[in-house]
Amino acid sequence: EAGVTQFPSHSVIEKGQTVTLRCDPISGHDNLYWYRRVMGKEIKFLLHFVKESKQDESGMPNNRFLAERTGGTYSTLKVQPAELEDSGVYFCASSQGPRGRGANNEQFFGPGTRLTVL
Amino acid sequence: GNSVTQMEGPVTLSEEAFLTINCTYTATGYPSLFWYVQYPGEGLQLLLKATKADDKGSNKGFEATYRKETTSFHLEKGSVQVSDSAVYFCALPDSSYKLIFGSGTRLLVRP
Repeated sequence: EAGVTQFPSHSVIEKGQTVTLRCDPISGHDNLYWYRRVMGKEIKFLLHFVKESKQDESGMPNNRFLAERTGGTYSTLKVQPAELEDSGVYFCASSQGPRGRGANNEQFFGPGTRLTVL
Repeated sequence: GNSVTQMEGPVTLSEEAFLTINCTYTATGYPSLFWYVQYPGEGLQLLLKATKADDKGSNKGFEATYRKETTSFHLEKGSVQVSDSAVYFCALPDSSYKLIFGSGTRLLVRP
């Protein structure tokens, strides 16, 4: 069974440009999460989808970040315009359990996308 | 809200040395506790977990015991290998489903 995949693995862009990150969760997982790790600090939650609906986007840093999950399958995270402080590693995770809870809530993580904003 | 604090790295050890990475937490109730590992070039993987007080999680020679008295979940391994070089994250869920992570501890094991 394929795990969570993310694309691209690395992205280097200039300040003010736009970048779109993609995450493909494990097939059949309704829950999809975005996290990011900035400057070697802790990994922080960004948002949570249940199928195509945003369950919680309280961790999104500002309105330059837009996440979508059309059709409840893959998700994209767009940063527009990118700023220097957006540099970091963006992780995606998915889990099976209902609404993110319960015994099947183990979150499986992708390899991350390393974003560098110059 | 829930939070976790883990020791700063990097930790550099020789092969076969004993490893301890400290992790302490604050939480409402008794949530499950996790250790995740990120090997170079790979994603985060669940290393081990404990779901209640006094539980010991173990995997790949690593162990951690859920201690509510000291609110700790220290990661230990008796004899590290070069292949254990990675970044280790302590984590716990908040009141719902978000994972709260520590800052990560980089382990470098030298032959």
